[in-house]
Amino acid sequence: KQEVTQIPAALSVPEGENLVLNCSFTDSAIYNLQWFRQDPGKGLTSLLLIQSSQREQTSGRLNASLDKSSGRSTLYIAASQPGDSATYLCAVSPYTGANSKLTFGKGITLSVRP
Amino acid sequence: ETGVTQTPRHLVMGMTNKKSLKCEQHLGHNAMYWYKQSAKKPLELMFVYNFKEQTENNSVPSRFSPECPNSSHLFLHLHTLQPEDSALYLCASSQGLGTGMDIQYFGAGTRLSVL
Repeated sequence: KQEVTQIPAALSVPEGENLVLNCSFTDSAIYNLQWFRQDPGKGLTSLLLIQSSQREQTSGRLNASLDKSSGRSTLYIAASQPGDSATYLCAVSPYTGANSKLTFGKGITLSVRP
Repeated sequence: ETGVTQTPRHLVMGMTNKKSLKCEQHLGHNAMYWYKQSAKKPLELMFVYNFKEQTENNSVPSRFSPECPNSSHLFLHLHTLQPEDSALYLCASSQGLGTGMDIQYFGAGTRLSVL
C-alpha cells in the first residue's frame, strides 16, 4: 500500500528565504507526482505535476524535483513571500491504470513572516 | 474560481438530519470525485464517477449516498451521520478515465459539522 509522508507538518520562515518542502513515498511505481496548494477554508490548487519519466518541473519561483528510485520529491520555493503561506500537499498516482487513485500526504503548513 | 463549485460552503447538522452536498463543474469534464479531508489526516477518496457511472466506492459507509445525474453535477446525500463525519468534503473533476492519472480540479469544499 502506497504511503506518502511530509515532514515537518508545519514550518515558519522569514520573508525572503529560499525553502525546501519534502515529500517521500514508499512505492516507487508511480505514474506522476503532484504538488498542490491549499489555502485555509479552500480547495486544492495544482501547482506542479511531474511525470515519472521527468526529473523536475518549474513554474515561476517554484521548482519541483522527483527522484523516483529513492521515493522522494522536493518543492523548492525561491524568495518566499507572505502570500506563499498555505498548506502544501503532495500526491502520487500509481502506475496501474483503471481504478487507480491519488495518495496524498498530510501536507506541510507554511507560514512566511513579513 | 476553479470551475468547480460546491454548495453549501458550510453545513451544521444533527445526527438525525438529512442533508445534501452539491457539486457542479463548468469545465466540460467527464469524471467527478468526492474526497473527505479530516483534521490531521490525508485526503481520502470516497467516490468516483465517470460519465455518470460510479467507478469507485472506497468502502464508504452507507450513510453517505452519492448521486451523479449527469457529468456536470454530483451530489452527496447525508443521513444519520456521526460526529466523526465532521470534515471538509471536497469535490473534484477531471477529463479522462477518472483515475489517479488524470489532472484533477478541486472545488473549495463544504465544511461539515455534525453535532
